[in-house]
Amino acid sequence: AQKITQTQPGMFVQEKEAVTLDCTYDTSDQSYGLFWYKQPSSGEMIFLIYQGSYDEQNATEGRYSLNFQKARKSANLVISASQLGDSAMYFCAFSGAGSYQLTFGKGTKLSVIP
Amino acid sequence: NAGVTQTPKFQVLKTGQSMTLQCAQDMNHNSMYWYRQDPGMGLRLIYYSASEGTTDKGEVPNGYNVSRLNKREFSLRLESAAPSQTSVYFCASSSDRERLETQYFGPGTRLLVL
Repeated sequence: AQKITQTQPGMFVQEKEAVTLDCTYDTSDQSYGLFWYKQPSSGEMIFLIYQGSYDEQNATEGRYSLNFQKARKSANLVISASQLGDSAMYFCAFSGAGSYQLTFGKGTKLSVIP
Repeated sequence: NAGVTQTPKFQVLKTGQSMTLQCAQDMNHNSMYWYRQDPGMGLRLIYYSASEGTTDKGEVPNGYNVSRLNKREFSLRLESAAPSQTSVYFCASSSDRERLETQYFGPGTRLLVL
């Protein structure tokens, strides 16, 4: 069974600074996908970014980028130029190519300080 | 487009009562999912429907039933609610699992079982 680990229960970052949220995964699958979602205090789950296991380049979406290190089985989210609105829970999730299930980590609570 | 919608937003039940959570998507997606989120945890898959007319169990199916009414709608039923089913329930949809498509989530339903 796949396992997703987010080792940082909480993080603080100064506004306008960059921050890295860690995510490691454990799988024997060759083809898989990694996702990051944001959950603000209002509760909805917002998709941020996706990385496929065969993608040669790290994914980027605006201020979000994914630092994908396949050999180390890590898929860290980097948020550049943090904004107050980035304060939220962030979840890393894994999906194997043959599975419908998204396996989620326990999340990291990010707090952006003015 | 509304994306994924869920009703109700909040519900309080007494132990033993039944209820149905409704979900609809307007993105013409093939696959739909029901997750639950408990405090301090990521989401866990209850049931999914790969396509219209099919449903399958996820990680935590006990105590739930689902119906894929048509391509747009996927409902979750609690036949006899228990306090352990107090949770936030999310519906999601995606277009095609073979290509590891992103799952898009509804706003969630907060359920309290007394």
